[in-house]
Amino acid sequence: GAGVSQSPRYKVAKRGQDVALRCDPISGHVSLFWYQQALGQGPEFLTYFQNEAQLDKSGLPSDRFFAERPEGSVSTLKIQRTQQEDSAVYLCASTTVPSGRAGETQYFGPGTRLLVL
Amino acid sequence: GQNIDQPTEMTATEGAIVQINCTYQTSGFNGLFWYQQHAGEAPTFLSYNVLDGLEEKGRFSSFLSRSKGYSYLLLKELQMKDSASYLCAVRAPSLPGGSYIPTFGRGTSLIVHP
Repeated sequence: GAGVSQSPRYKVAKRGQDVALRCDPISGHVSLFWYQQALGQGPEFLTYFQNEAQLDKSGLPSDRFFAERPEGSVSTLKIQRTQQEDSAVYLCASTTVPSGRAGETQYFGPGTRLLVL
Repeated sequence: GQNIDQPTEMTATEGAIVQINCTYQTSGFNGLFWYQQHAGEAPTFLSYNVLDGLEEKGRFSSFLSRSKGYSYLLLKELQMKDSASYLCAVRAPSLPGGSYIPTFGRGTSLIVHP
């Protein structure tokens, strides 16, 4: 596709509800990142995939957060038993090369704005 | 881990020049990025520095000093549309021996007024 897309763009969940956020990276991009961005803050790293392999999940705040990319393209971030502190914008970014390679530029999607009531 | 510091907010006048500083402390430095983020939108790439010195790209320039853990983004001939948040991101291993992950600062909100 032309860019990284994410769905839904907005999600309102009741506390305790499970949510699933989808990311469609640019076709052929090897690397995919998930970030959480609170209001007035920079993006905070959650997890990183190289193709279908989840190489780093050190940023996931709890075991309620789970991400997958089974075929190395579309990725889903799932949050179980949502809490109010999970309210944030969830950004997805993809790059053409494995993380750390020279000249790597992240292309971000528009984000999913999650509000937990 | 990484520690990235940048000013919270800056104001400037249309047509002027503004310099946004970023200082960082990290292990395994592997590049520094600047991104622009308008309110409610995704970050968009501005510049990348991995060696010391100045990189110029149109009205925007970015400087890096690895020995000082310091970078700045220079914006010339400011326009109203430059009002946005500017994010400094440092790439380094998230864990010893781990993947190289860009870590973002909290961003500098730039307000350009007439």
